[in-house]
Amino acid sequence: QVQLQESGPGLVKPSGTLSLTCAVSGGSISSSNWWSWVRQPPGKGLEWIGEIYHSGSTNYNPSLKSRVTISVDKSKNQFSLKLSSVTAADTAVYYCARVWLMRGLPAFDIWGQGTMVTVSS
Amino acid sequence: QSVLTQPPSVSGAPGQRVTISCTGSSSNIGAGYDVHWYQQLPGTAPKLLIYGNSNRPSGVPDRFSGSKSGTSASLAITGLQAEDEADYYCQSYDSSLSVHAVFGGGTQLTVL
Repeated sequence: QVQLQESGPGLVKPSGTLSLTCAVSGGSISSSNWWSWVRQPPGKGLEWIGEIYHSGSTNYNPSLKSRVTISVDKSKNQFSLKLSSVTAADTAVYYCARVWLMRGLPAFDIWGQGTMVTVSS
Repeated sequence: QSVLTQPPSVSGAPGQRVTISCTGSSSNIGAGYDVHWYQQLPGTAPKLLIYGNSNRPSGVPDRFSGSKSGTSASLAITGLQAEDEADYYCQSYDSSLSVHAVFGGGTQLTVL
């Protein structure tokens, strides 16, 4: 079955760029699914960041849109997240997830284990 | 604060029934958009528990059920077990925010 695995630096300096990758195994990223990033600050709830289709089409959370870029690498069967100009408020566990579209809107049926990213100097 | 409102915590004794509410508005749940529920066990990633308001993915016990009415949705857990102790999140879509996925603030379930 499809599995997702996040990877990337666990520590990012303020004003820097957070970069994470999600490797897809057990299935193709070019399947008829969107792929998403969700984050969870320590002790807080979930926040949707954005999503991408294998064609490169994207949708972003308006609150983060100016700082977020999600891209896909079909040759490596993975997708990536870049978040620029980070502050301490961006400290969170970052999850990648597979999107299951229902009536055109998403649910998240498969999740990676998550990776903790701390923004600190 | 979240556009979907959940109680911060609920509790129940083993074997009891508990419900977790998710209250929205006319731009999300009340507009007819589906509600999904996730269970997050301590230190783990969320897991899809209920999709499309009331459907269970394969492998989810029938002790878990979901419903929706008006601008609210509910998750019910019957025959409460110690392993149900977790955080639960509802999720939907909000047309006024143009956010494809909005989550409730989460509810911590304690099994007494």
